Amino acid sequence: NAGVTQTPKFQVLKTGQSMTLQCAQDMNHEYMSWYRQDPGMGLRLIHYSVGAGITDQGEVPNGYNVSRSTTEDFPLRLLSAAPSQTSVYFCASSYSRAIGELFFGEGSRLTVL
Amino acid sequence: GENVEQHPSTLSVQEGDSAVIKCTYSDSASNYFPWYKQELGKRPQLIIDIRSNVGEKKDQRIAVTLNKTAKHFSLHITETQPEDSAVYFCAAPDPISGGGADGLTFGKGTHLIIQP
Repeated sequence: NAGVTQTPKFQVLKTGQSMTLQCAQDMNHEYMSWYRQDPGMGLRLIHYSVGAGITDQGEVPNGYNVSRSTTEDFPLRLLSAAPSQTSVYFCASSYSRAIGELFFGEGSRLTVL
Repeated sequence: GENVEQHPSTLSVQEGDSAVIKCTYSDSASNYFPWYKQELGKRPQLIIDIRSNVGEKKDQRIAVTLNKTAKHFSLHITETQPEDSAVYFCAAPDPISGGGADGLTFGKGTHLIIQP
């Protein structure tokens, strides 16, 4: 049982490049989300999903796309990377809203030059 | 959306003393308040949570109190130990995501330093 797995752990991009951060969970969780963490800013919600085929925007969605074709996978796409997207990205999943615990992946550190 | 304020941003205490971190929230409909601990370079992990139908919850040296009238909740750590050094985040459900745990609004974090 691997929990929540994110790849890659580190990535350096040039401005304007695109890339996809992968996230997979093996706990059969319906709920998945992406957060970004910046110094002094806490964790901010980018996008979330309440089940396969359903996604919605969080607090800071601009510049990011998501899809949820299966229960297990929730990739985050950066369409045209900007220096402001330099951050640590965390994928998280939870069994249900009522139970509450978010299980985080190990994080992906992205630098945009 | 939900606005979560967390204080202090840095807290330094002597080993063995108690530490208290406070958070306020804006949405009176919020009913779930978790606390996460993040050690340096690691992922955040849930340490304790409370629902709005109780005023206090305790788990060994950690406790959380909730005041719904004042819309604030606090994390209390007693008999602090070196392994308590970390960044602690409070959170409340983000009404934009429907108020569920899948979409939380986090405070900006408190860096707790335990002095030997």
